[in-house]
Amino acid sequence: DAGVTQSPTHLIKTRGQQVTLRCSPKSGHDTVSWYQQALGQGPQFIFQYYEEEERQRGNFPDRFSGHQFPNYSSELNVNALLLGDSALYLCASSFRDRVLDGYTFGSGTRLTVV
Amino acid sequence: QKEVEQNSGPLSVPEGAIASLNCTYSDRVSQSFFWYRQYSGKSPELIMSIYSNGDKEDGRFTAQLNKASQYVSLLIRDSQPSDSATYLCAVNGNQFYFGTGTSLTVIP
Repeated sequence: DAGVTQSPTHLIKTRGQQVTLRCSPKSGHDTVSWYQQALGQGPQFIFQYYEEEERQRGNFPDRFSGHQFPNYSSELNVNALLLGDSALYLCASSFRDRVLDGYTFGSGTRLTVV
Repeated sequence: QKEVEQNSGPLSVPEGAIASLNCTYSDRVSQSFFWYRQYSGKSPELIMSIYSNGDKEDGRFTAQLNKASQYVSLLIRDSQPSDSATYLCAVNGNQFYFGTGTSLTVIP
């Protein structure tokens, strides 16, 4: 049973560029959440997608946007990259009706902005 | 005030000792509470979840929840060097919030 799959694993971008990160949720999960984790910090909630719509959003600017596809996979897009966007980006999947089960995380995408 | 607060540590305990990790939260509507373990450079992995007041045991791990005090803890008995990691407390209320994590080192 495949867990949460994220791609790419590592990425280096230049300031001002745009980036797209991808996530396939665990089999049976229908909800995808994205987190940003800076070095030495806990994961910060970016947004959550369910039924192809953004359902919740954390305190992140509009440069961060996302999408969920009919097969529940998701993308995170970041425009006009800043040096401060360098972080580990984690995708977490869950089943909407079983929130008590918690989230399953992917291995993350390490984004470096230079 | 942060939604979830943890002592960042570092916490060091000798092998075989009990490690005690603590967490407080601010959102009173929180329904479920989780402890994740994160090894350096890796993603968080779920250790335990707890929903009701009291203790919940799973092997060497015991989670404790006190909703009146808005307090969650994790005890690790017979600590092993492989337990050395950052432990993240997470709370599911209006959103799924994480604390900043407590770094634990188990000394052989």
